[in-house]
Amino acid sequence: DADVTQTPRNRITKTGKRIMLECSQTKGHDRMYWYRQDPGLGLRLIYYSFDVKDINKGEISDGYSVSRQAQAKFSLSLESAIPNQTALYFCATSSGNYGYTFGSGTRLTVV
Amino acid sequence: AQSVTQLGSHVSVSEGALVLLRCNYSSSVPPYLFWYVQYPNQGLQLLLKYTTGATLVKGINGFEAEFKKSETSFHLTKPSAHMSDAAEYFCAVRGIYNFNKFYFGSGTKLNVKP
Repeated sequence: DADVTQTPRNRITKTGKRIMLECSQTKGHDRMYWYRQDPGLGLRLIYYSFDVKDINKGEISDGYSVSRQAQAKFSLSLESAIPNQTALYFCATSSGNYGYTFGSGTRLTVV
Repeated sequence: AQSVTQLGSHVSVSEGALVLLRCNYSSSVPPYLFWYVQYPNQGLQLLLKYTTGATLVKGINGFEAEFKKSETSFHLTKPSAHMSDAAEYFCAVRGIYNFNKFYFGSGTKLNVKP
């Protein structure tokens, strides 16, 4: 099993719909992150969490919300999806100084 | 504010040729630096990292990178490209004020020609 699992892998949704992307990890890491990847823009941080009681906004949190249900679970919600939220979304975990472990990504298309 | 600049969004080399992917960072103090690789339809994998100590860092798949403080650079190299190296490569820097945040460059797609 993958260390960081994202579901779904692919999703097409309509404008205005609510959608949730889920992430679970078996690394035992405290820190979890949601990033968005767009061509030519690299990765941009949406939200991050250091533990279940700690949630922080990243660079581009508008239009998104998150929930840290447990140490191992961190979900990202789009309350009312819009087409410019079409992107590849990555969940990542970290134990601190030494970089991330990434999930395989969720490709989201908003039509 | 910290930032990472990757020069060249696309790099093309022939199989067997030298690979050089450029990364420059802005930081008031030497940061921790990372290179990640992303193969098609996959997440990012850590190639190598520099934290402290030896400035030449060796990673997986024959890649290495050298931290040059005077040039604020952390370029990625591989002496001989292989077809399987075709991927997108991201340079990243750990935040110096918030150690839990990492900042990514915009990525360089490496194409390897037979």
